[in-house]
Amino acid sequence: GENVEQHPSTLSVQEGDSAVIKCTYSDSASNYFPWYKQELGKGPQLIIDIRSNVGEKKDQRIAVTLNKTAKHFSLHITETQPEDSAVYFCAAKAGGTSYGKLTFGQGTILTVHP
Amino acid sequence: SAVISQKPSRDICQRGTSLTIQCQVDSQVTMMFWYRQQPGQSLTLIATANQGSEATYESGFVIDKFPISRPNLTFSTLTVSNMSPEDSSIYLCSVEDQGGGYTFGSGTRLTVV
Repeated sequence: GENVEQHPSTLSVQEGDSAVIKCTYSDSASNYFPWYKQELGKGPQLIIDIRSNVGEKKDQRIAVTLNKTAKHFSLHITETQPEDSAVYFCAAKAGGTSYGKLTFGQGTILTVHP
Repeated sequence: SAVISQKPSRDICQRGTSLTIQCQVDSQVTMMFWYRQQPGQSLTLIATANQGSEATYESGFVIDKFPISRPNLTFSTLTVSNMSPEDSSIYLCSVEDQGGGYTFGSGTRLTVV
């Protein structure tokens, strides 16, 4: 089945700096890659996603890049703010017989210092 | 995207008892997913629930421990049976939106004592 590796496990930045979180996946049939933000006591919230026919997608301060050949994708947050502090999860949606299932990375605890 | 109401939001239960978690969606969806998030960990899929058929369980999860109901296209329940402290986790339901994304409920924080 699919395996998703996420790095780093913790990331500490100063307000205004950029943050980058990277994920690799194993199943070349995976075709959808969402990123979720989870704040304490809440469920994961989708912040951006990308499909396998696109290499990059941007939404204001957040961008995601996908390299299908290398099977990795990254989340980029620019001009970080303290309210960006949370746990971030990447995921991959399986294709083939496992269609529809999301496999999650281990999570990254992002701390933005004022 | 879909709006999910998940209940209860939290509970403290005695070992050996069972808890049923409800998930209500504001639109009809084909597949509903149940996840477990152990303390400080990532999300692990428990099972996929399709309306009108038995749920499909992932490796390491069995129906006797986590029975699931899916009576219609907007509702599902997950029961955590014969609980032990190791079952203390956040349980989350999720649906696939019409746009192809996945929305999560706010979760049920379960503590077993």
